[in-house]
Formats: sequence, C-alpha cells, structure tokens
Amino acid sequence: QLQLVESGGGVVQPGGSLRLSCAASGFSFSYYNMHWVRQAPGKGLEWVAVTSQDGSTKHYADSVKGRFTISRDNSKNTLYLQMNSLRAEDTAVYYCVRSGIDWHFDLWGRGTLVAVSS
Amino acid sequence: DIVMTQSPDSLAVSLGERATINCKSSQSVLYNSNNKNYLAWYQQKPGQPPKLLIYWASTRESGVPDRFTGSGSGTDFTLTISSLQAEDVAVYYCQQYYSIPDTFGQGTKLEIK
Repeated sequence: QLQLVESGGGVVQPGGSLRLSCAASGFSFSYYNMHWVRQAPGKGLEWVAVTSQDGSTKHYADSVKGRFTISRDNSKNTLYLQMNSLRAEDTAVYYCVRSGIDWHFDLWGRGTLVAVSS
Repeated sequence: DIVMTQSPDSLAVSLGERATINCKSSQSVLYNSNNKNYLAWYQQKPGQPPKLLIYWASTRESGVPDRFTGSGSGTDFTLTISSLQAEDVAVYYCQQYYSIPDTFGQGTKLEIK
C-alpha cells in the first residue's frame, strides 16, 4: 500500500528547533523527488522544499531558506525536514509529498502539526 | 515566482448542476518543447490532505470520476465538475509545477446550494 507517514510535529517555542520525519512505504522511494508542503491553520497550501531522488539537489521557499534543511535517507525510505529558528508564522500542518518525473504531486501524507508558540 | 489566482474564492452549486473554477497564472506554464501545461488541480476535504485530481492541465488521475474535467492552456485554466455530487464538497487548488518554487492558488471553497 502506497503510504507516507509524517512524525515529529509538536509545540515549540519561537527560536526553537524541530525535526520532522516522513516514512515511505509501498513504492521505490529512491525513484522519486520528495517535497514538504505546509498549510497554516485555515489557510492555503505553501510549498516548502524539495529534494531530488539522490538528495544531491535541493530547493527551498524563500520563507524558510537558511533556516530549514531537507534531507533523505534512501536506505531507510525516510524524508526529513530540520527546522531551526522557528517563528510563529511557521505554525502549520506539514505534509510530506511525492512527485515523479512528471513533477505533479501524486501522493501526500496525512501531515504533522507544528505549533510555534511561547 | 509565478502567482496563481483562482476565481471565485467560494462557490455554491446545486446538486447535479455544473461547477466551474478558474485559475490564472501570472506567466505561461506551457513548456514549448513538449507542449505540456505544468498545471495540476487538487481537492482537499476537511481534515484530509489534498488529493491529485488533474495534471498536465487536462489529464485525469487514475480513479478520479469523469465528471471532473480540466481545460485551458498557457495562463488560463478551468476545472469543471459536470454534475455536482455531495461528496464533491471541498476546497480546490490549482498548482503550477513549471518552475520552482511550485505555487498554489489560494483555493476555491465549493459548497452545496
């Protein structure tokens, strides 16, 4: 069964750090580009970051550049998002998302909630 | 960055009637070398992640009912639901994947009249 399962969300104070994980199953993880997309409460979708199949190429939204790091471990079928210097505006549900060579987002996880609050 | 603008922001349609959602990009998302529009549509129901409906502007994802149709090219796109069903109540998003950063429209909330 195709599945992406995020974990690691929680409540963190402004300036703090958090590491999200996404466990993939049911498909060949290393064949796919992987993304993080977030959604603030009651708001729309915002793309956050992408990593290529082998992890050699990464891109970030300007809003997180220099603070967040996307990475992957293909031997563990797992995607990560290291989030540092967190701000209130980073509060959102973070989705792990797959895209193939066609680049559209064809598989989404259920998301993990990150709340940045003092 | 490519800005995606959807209209309307919300829409109420009677069961069995047609629903039409528009999406406009600030620059063309048509890639001339393969003649494909890098435009997708997603459906998000309350408490659920988004679900891919349409990609390449008009290709229906496997398992998506044929009442969902995507059309358009270049900068102007439309998602049409030919005969609204109760289970179609959701927020719909368009997305361009022509260039990084991928960007989404603000969403259109579809309700039953």
